[in-house]
Amino acid sequence: ETGVTQTPRHLVMGMTNKKSLKCEQHLGHNAMYWYKQSAKKPLELMFVYNFKEQTENNSVPSRFSPECPNSSHLFLHLHTLQPEDSALYLCASSQEGQGGRPQHFGDGTRLSIL
Amino acid sequence: GESVGLHLPTLSVQEGDNSIINCAYSNSASDYFIWYKQESGKGPQFIIDIRSNMDKRQGQRVTVLLNKTVKHLSLQIAATQPGDSAVYFCAENPGNTPLVFGKGTRLSVIA
Repeated sequence: ETGVTQTPRHLVMGMTNKKSLKCEQHLGHNAMYWYKQSAKKPLELMFVYNFKEQTENNSVPSRFSPECPNSSHLFLHLHTLQPEDSALYLCASSQEGQGGRPQHFGDGTRLSIL
Repeated sequence: GESVGLHLPTLSVQEGDNSIINCAYSNSASDYFIWYKQESGKGPQFIIDIRSNMDKRQGQRVTVLLNKTVKHLSLQIAATQPGDSAVYFCAENPGNTPLVFGKGTRLSVIA
């Protein structure tokens, strides 16, 4: 149990579907992140939220839309995805503002685009 | 651009032997480093971290060494066990920016 829960664990969707990924952290952290993990590539940071405010958007296509309603929940809304978007999507949280702190990850959502 | 990298993509060790996983970083502003372990079907799991004012830190069966002169980080696992088989990532924190991750090294333990 990592303290970061992601649902669903697996998702298969067509390119015209709309779906959402959910992340919840039970660690009392103030920052949350979305990462994309593809085979043989380093983790790619997508979005960062600090105290519910988006502080980083790493040139992510608009077909990915994040939402952070409070410091414990993070969503990633998906629409009109492409086959190359198939990957493992990881959520993480950390306690920022006190120097370097580790990020704690969920087990990810394995996304497959048909 | 600056990046975090790993010397070896795969490492095979005999059960009971010590493992050493290496990582090179290029951002001299990095002041915090982390090692993660990722098992199949799971997310990265925090193992150990080290700040730039230290050159060594020990945990349970793991030791992280930091050589700032050559910008090198290593993870040593003592008495490697089958449960240590996983992909190991290093990550660096270049100041007030998010972590930068390496590609990972796959550790395979031979029983």
